[in-house]
Amino acid sequence: AQSVTQPDIHITVSEGASLELRCNYSYGATPYLFWYVQSPGQGLQLLLKYFSGDTLVQGIKGFEAEFKRSQSSFNLRKPSVHWSDAAEYFCAVGAGFSGGYNKLIFGAGTRLAVHP
Amino acid sequence: ETGVTQSPTHLIKTRGQQVTLRCSSQSGHNTVSWYQQALGQGPQFIFQYYREEENGRGNFPPRFSGLQFPNYSSELNVNALELDDSALYLCASSDNGQGVSEAFFGQGTRLTVV
Repeated sequence: AQSVTQPDIHITVSEGASLELRCNYSYGATPYLFWYVQSPGQGLQLLLKYFSGDTLVQGIKGFEAEFKRSQSSFNLRKPSVHWSDAAEYFCAVGAGFSGGYNKLIFGAGTRLAVHP
Repeated sequence: ETGVTQSPTHLIKTRGQQVTLRCSSQSGHNTVSWYQQALGQGPQFIFQYYREEENGRGNFPPRFSGLQFPNYSSELNVNALELDDSALYLCASSDNGQGVSEAFFGQGTRLTVV
């Protein structure tokens, strides 16, 4: 079955520290992978996506993610966290069609808190 | 270029009632998807509309139904509301229902069923 697992429900880091949010997926075909961020009471904003090509992808707000097929992972990283990065982060895989997708399967999310 | 807009932003309904939520897709997009996000969970796919036709459905009962209009805006209708229908309902638009374009989300409609 297609699924996305985010092992960490809550993470707390100090401002300026590095960050890595974990994401593992289960999907039989070539995955289309996404990271979204959600501030309280808001919709989802796309941080970055992986469709093909270079396995290290750069996104907005200084985030990057690395696709590792052998580990079925797509972990999100940021070298130096800012207080404004406190939010909920969702990993997702596109599914539904071979060679494309018509739906996103989301993980349960990781809530990031940033200490000053 | 306008983004994805949803209305209303908040709604309170009584169990057993019916509700209609609306979504205007981003300019140039022909595909709208709807998701339900219960408190503390990730969004769950309800269905997608591509050029006015349903293009996939998640594990939701038939009382969840939808429409897409010629201008690609969309409605989500929920009949016989249950308390568990309380959630944030998110609309996302993209420009191809079977492609690999990214989906852009609206701010959501917070539905509370009492």
